[in-house]
Amino acid sequence: SQTIHQWPATLVQPVGSPLSLECTVEGTSNPNLYWYRQAAGRGLQLLFYSVGIGQISSEVPQNLSASRPQDRQFILSSKKLLLSDSGFYLCAWSVLSGRRNTEAFFGQGTRLTVV
Amino acid sequence: GENVEQHPSTLSVQEGDSAVIKCTYSDSASNYFPWYKQELGKRPQLIIDIRSNVGEKKDQRIAVTLNKTAKHFSLHITETQPEDSAVYFCAASYGNKLVFGAGTILRVKS
Repeated sequence: SQTIHQWPATLVQPVGSPLSLECTVEGTSNPNLYWYRQAAGRGLQLLFYSVGIGQISSEVPQNLSASRPQDRQFILSSKKLLLSDSGFYLCAWSVLSGRRNTEAFFGQGTRLTVV
Repeated sequence: GENVEQHPSTLSVQEGDSAVIKCTYSDSASNYFPWYKQELGKRPQLIIDIRSNVGEKKDQRIAVTLNKTAKHFSLHITETQPEDSAVYFCAASYGNKLVFGAGTILRVKS
């Protein structure tokens, strides 16, 4: 069966420090991978998505970047965190089967607080 | 551009009543419309989905309807219970992407 791992679950970082959040998927090949951010009490904002190794699409200009060094690994990074980067970060995966989209499965999320 | 509008942002209902949440999407090529439920501090989880070749789908107390012409779809929850209280998100597919609505906070009062 497929599983998704995301870590860490919580993180407190000072302003200006770097960030690295990692997400891995097991049990499937060539998944679509996503990073979403959820600010407190608000919706899911798509930050990045990837359809293959080294292929990253950025949805919003910001202080963050993403990389996909392996088929089932997706990394969210920042060189210098801002206060506004605080939020709940969710990694997700899905499969495009033929021309049919499928359900997205979410990781447990990382609650990031920038202080 | 790719957009999903969701209404209302908050919804309070009495236990046993029905709840309806509505979403509209912008791209007629969208073909997949899932609904997710997110409990406090947890990850969103799929509760029901519908594809563009179907007009309605039902799973016990939950149903989803899709109007492709008008580009809107709705979630219907009947006989609401306190455990239905959560944030609900609709989403629409745009190619390889799933774009989510802003969410609806549903409160079921007992």
